[in-house]
Amino acid sequence: AQTVTQSQPEMSVQEAETVTLSCTYDTSENNYYLFWYKQPPSRQMILVIRQEAYKQQNATENRFSVNFQKAAKSFSLKISDSQLGDTAMYFCAFMKGGSQGNLIFGKGTKLSVKP
Amino acid sequence: AAGVIQSPRHLIKEKRETATLKCYPIPRHDTVYWYQQGPGQDPQFLISFYEKMQSDKGSIPDRFSAQQFSDYHSELNMSSLELGDSALYFCASSFIYRGYNEQFFGPGTRLTVL
Repeated sequence: AQTVTQSQPEMSVQEAETVTLSCTYDTSENNYYLFWYKQPPSRQMILVIRQEAYKQQNATENRFSVNFQKAAKSFSLKISDSQLGDTAMYFCAFMKGGSQGNLIFGKGTKLSVKP
Repeated sequence: AAGVIQSPRHLIKEKRETATLKCYPIPRHDTVYWYQQGPGQDPQFLISFYEKMQSDKGSIPDRFSAQQFSDYHSELNMSSLELGDSALYFCASSFIYRGYNEQFFGPGTRLTVL
């Protein structure tokens, strides 16, 4: 069975600063995907970034980037130039590849961006 | 762009009542997923359907059932409601493109059981 662990229940960062959210996972699968989802106070689930396990290059989406360490089963999210609108719960998620796989989420990290 | 539609957005029920949640996937998406997110919890997978057939099952109580209809919309039926069923219920839809299956989430249905 796959597990996803987020060891930081809460974090805070000053506006315009950089913050890194940690995530580790456990799986015996070789083909899988990793995601970071953002859940603001509206509770909408918003995809921030995804990483294919077969790709060595770290994914980047504007101010969001990941550090994917496959051997260490680590998948951290870096948010640069933090903005007040980044305040949200962030969930790391795992999905098996090659099928209609469901998402397995970590417990989440509550990020507060302070002015 | 069209998004996943869920109805109702809010629902209040008494214990032991029945509730039906509806999900309308993005057009041409062939897979629907249901997730339950309790207060302060991460979303937990309940059940999924691919081309109107159940494709996977997670931690869905026996009191719950679901189906996907010919027009691809899905309904989650919940009977003998308990206080612990109070949660946000997400529906997500997807299609496989180049081996990748991105799930698009609806806004959720907030169920309160009194």
